[in-house]
Amino acid sequence: HVQLVQSGAEVKKPGASVKVSCKASGYTFTSYGITWVRQAPGQGLEWMGWISPYNGNTDYAQKLQGRVTMSTDTSTSTAYMELRSLRSDDTAVYYCARQLERPRPLDYWGQGTLVTVSS
Amino acid sequence: QSVLTQPPSVSAAPGQKVTISCSGSSSNIGNNYVSWYQQLPGTAPKLLIYDNNKRPSGIPDRFSGSKSGTSATLGITGLQTGDEADYYCGTWDSSLSAHVFGGGSKLSVL
Repeated sequence: HVQLVQSGAEVKKPGASVKVSCKASGYTFTSYGITWVRQAPGQGLEWMGWISPYNGNTDYAQKLQGRVTMSTDTSTSTAYMELRSLRSDDTAVYYCARQLERPRPLDYWGQGTLVTVSS
Repeated sequence: QSVLTQPPSVSAAPGQKVTISCSGSSSNIGNNYVSWYQQLPGTAPKLLIYDNNKRPSGIPDRFSGSKSGTSATLGITGLQTGDEADYYCGTWDSSLSAHVFGGGSKLSVL
C-alpha cells in the first residue's frame, strides 16, 4: 500500500535552514509528483510547491521563491524540501503528499513534520 | 485570507445531514476539479472527494460532493461523532499557477 513517511520534528533558530524528507513506498516513485503543504498552528493549509521525481521539474509558491528548494532521490524514493532563512512565521507542520500532476488531487499524505523556529 | 471561501464552522446532531460550501472564481473552481480533505484532530489531511464528486476507495457513500459554476459543496449524511474534523476544499488556480485551499470548516457533531 502507498506510504509516505516523513522525517522527525526539528527545532531551528531564526535565519537557519531546515531540510525535511519524505520517503515513498508502495508505488512507482517516478510516476507521481510530490507536493509540499504546510499548516501553521491553528491555521489552514498552504501549498508550498510541487516536484516531479520523473524529470526534476519544480513549481514553487511565489511567496517562497528564493527560500525553498525541492528535490528528489529516485534511488531511495525520497523527496526533500529545504527551507532557508527561517523566520518565526515558518513554524508549522510540513506535509508531503502524492499528486499525479499539479491539477490533480493530493491522494496520499505523509504524517507531517513539525518545524519550530525559535530563538 | 484564503483564495477559496468556506464557513469557519458547521454543526449538526448525530444522524443528521450537513453541507459545507466552498466558493471560488472562474480561475479555480470554475474551470478545475475540486477535491475535499478531512483532517481529524492531530492527524494529516486525508482525501475524501476528488474530481468534484468521486470517492476514493474506502470512503463511505455518506460523503458526497457537487459543483456548480464557481462553488462546490461537500455533503455528509448520517453524521457520527467520528466525523468531527476540519474539512478543506482544494483545487488548482490557473491564474495563480498554484494549488489553493479553503480556510477550512470545523464540523461539530452535537
